[in-house]
Amino acid sequence: AQSVTQPDIHITVSEGASLELRCNYSYGATPYLFWYVQSPGQGLQLLLKYFSGDTLVQGIKGFEAEFKRSQSSFNLRKPSVHWSDAAEYFCAVLLQGVQKLVFGQGTRLTINP
Amino acid sequence: ETGVTQSPTHLIKTRGQQVTLRCSSQSGHNTVSWYQQALGQGPQFIFQYYREEENGRGNFPPRFSGLQFPNYSSELNVNALELDDSALYLCASSTRRTLSPNSYEQYFGPGTRLTVT
Repeated sequence: AQSVTQPDIHITVSEGASLELRCNYSYGATPYLFWYVQSPGQGLQLLLKYFSGDTLVQGIKGFEAEFKRSQSSFNLRKPSVHWSDAAEYFCAVLLQGVQKLVFGQGTRLTINP
Repeated sequence: ETGVTQSPTHLIKTRGQQVTLRCSSQSGHNTVSWYQQALGQGPQFIFQYYREEENGRGNFPPRFSGLQFPNYSSELNVNALELDDSALYLCASSTRRTLSPNSYEQYFGPGTRLTVT
């Protein structure tokens, strides 16, 4: 069955430090992958997406993600985090056909000043 | 360009009651998907509507039903509410007009927080 695993439930980093959030997926076909961010009480905002081509994709707010087929991973990175990056981050894979998103459980990011 | 809007923002219902949640899709989008997000969890797919017909359903019972209207707006109806139905309900719109993968991007509304007591 298709699934997404985000191994880290909660991560704390210092402002200005680098960040990597992990995402592993299980999907039989070529995956369409997404990262979304959710601030408290808000909906989901699309950070970036991977469909094909270059395995390093750039998104908004200075985020990037790298698709590694051999590791079934799509990790999110940012070189230097800002206090405003504190939020919940969700990785998702799209089931093509029905266009259904399957989400991981999310990683909550806390930023220390 | 108008984004995805949802109403109401919050509501409180009693177990056994019925509720209707509303969603207006983003301008130019013809597909609406509904997701349930329980506290501390990732969103779970409920169902999707395209051209006013249900086009895929997740693992939710029949008391969860929906509608899509000619203007592509949508409603989610939940009958016989249970305590476990308490969650944030998210609506997302997208388009099937092209075969481009970019048409698979789903844009989410702010959600409706439902509390069942």
